[in-house]
Amino acid sequence: AQSVTQLDSQVPVFEEAPVELRCNYSSSVSVYLFWYVQYPNQGLQLLLKYLSGSTLVESINGFEAEFNKSQTSFHLRKPSVHISDTAEYFCAVKLVAGSARQLTFGSGTQLTVLP
Amino acid sequence: NAGVMQNPRHLVRRRGQEARLRCSPMKGHSHVYWYRQLPEEGLKFMVYLQKENIIDESGMPKERFSAEFPKEGPSILRIQQVVRGDSAAYFCASSPSSDQPQHFGDGTRLSIL
Repeated sequence: AQSVTQLDSQVPVFEEAPVELRCNYSSSVSVYLFWYVQYPNQGLQLLLKYLSGSTLVESINGFEAEFNKSQTSFHLRKPSVHISDTAEYFCAVKLVAGSARQLTFGSGTQLTVLP
Repeated sequence: NAGVMQNPRHLVRRRGQEARLRCSPMKGHSHVYWYRQLPEEGLKFMVYLQKENIIDESGMPKERFSAEFPKEGPSILRIQQVVRGDSAAYFCASSPSSDQPQHFGDGTRLSIL
């Protein structure tokens, strides 16, 4: 079975500072990787995904994540955060093949951007 | 395009009552997934359905929980004889196929008194 570990449950950071949210996964087979963002009292929104190809993927609002197969990681980064980036961020994996089509999520990282 | 619609947004039930949670997938999406989010935790998969079929219910509790996705109408997650431990946010997601990214609704927050 696959699993996802997000080591940091809370990450406070000042506005305009860089941030990295860590994600490591465990799986015996190939997986797709995702980052979702959840604002208070809302559902999850897809931030970015790695399916194949370039290991560096970017979102439209300045976030990027790099798939590192040897370290089984998919860390999320942003060079300069805004107050509006305050939210909970979830890393997730999904099997590339097989009958299980669900997402397996990490426990989430609360990013709080301070003025 | 309307997103995934879940209702109600908030549901309060007393112990022993039934809870019915509804999910209308995005237009053109025939794959529906239900997840549960307990406080301070990530989402946990419950069940995966296509129209009129349960494909994978490996995450569903063996008793009191059931799900359906009829030919017409929304998908329903039904919890019978609710207990305090059922208090959680229940999220529905949909996709046009099993290989496409899932889009989430805003969830139903279930509170058990």
